[in-house]
Amino acid sequence: EAGVAQSPRYKIIEKRQSVAFWCNPISGHATLYWYQQILGQGPKLLIQFQNNGVVDDSQLPKDRFSAERLKGVDSTLKIQPAKLEDSAVYLCASSLGVVQGYEQYFGPGTRLTVT
Amino acid sequence: DAKTTQPPSMDCAEGRAANLPCNHSTISGNEYVYWYRQIHSQGPQYIIHGLKNNETNEMASLIITEDRKSSTLILPHATLRDTAVYYCIAGAGYALNFGKGTSLLVTP
Repeated sequence: EAGVAQSPRYKIIEKRQSVAFWCNPISGHATLYWYQQILGQGPKLLIQFQNNGVVDDSQLPKDRFSAERLKGVDSTLKIQPAKLEDSAVYLCASSLGVVQGYEQYFGPGTRLTVT
Repeated sequence: DAKTTQPPSMDCAEGRAANLPCNHSTISGNEYVYWYRQIHSQGPQYIIHGLKNNETNEMASLIITEDRKSSTLILPHATLRDTAVYYCIAGAGYALNFGKGTSLLVTP
């Protein structure tokens, strides 16, 4: 079974530039998550989708971050404009559903460096 | 979600059992205990979860105290590949609130 795919794996941009990350979840997984992991910390949930609807985006900095999940499959996370503090690994995860106990499967992440 | 407390780091000799503790003294009745691990430069990996009863799978065992205020993840025969950060998470919903976890170093 193919895992969660993410691209690119690495990205370096200057502050105030924009960047986009792509995620392809495991086939059949209705729920998709984006996490931000700053160096030395655990991942922090940014946004969760159930099919193509947003379930929770309470921790997404909406003035600069946006995300979409068209057709309930692939998802894109965008940052515009980037700040230095956005340097982090952005992880995408998917699960079968939102019921407790469903394990989340994580992709390898995209490491973003903002200079 | 309940706050969890884990030691920042632990060592374990290869082939020995690794016992990773987690305190979740404020856990409520409907909150599960989840364990994930993150090997360097990879995304987190699910290990096991439980509500009240002890659980075992091919990776590990989860022992939850009767009062549910703490739990222990047991890797029965640790290998060098088990070196990772281990996260204990207590929650009732879909969101996983990761803390800083325990950095486990398995040594030869």
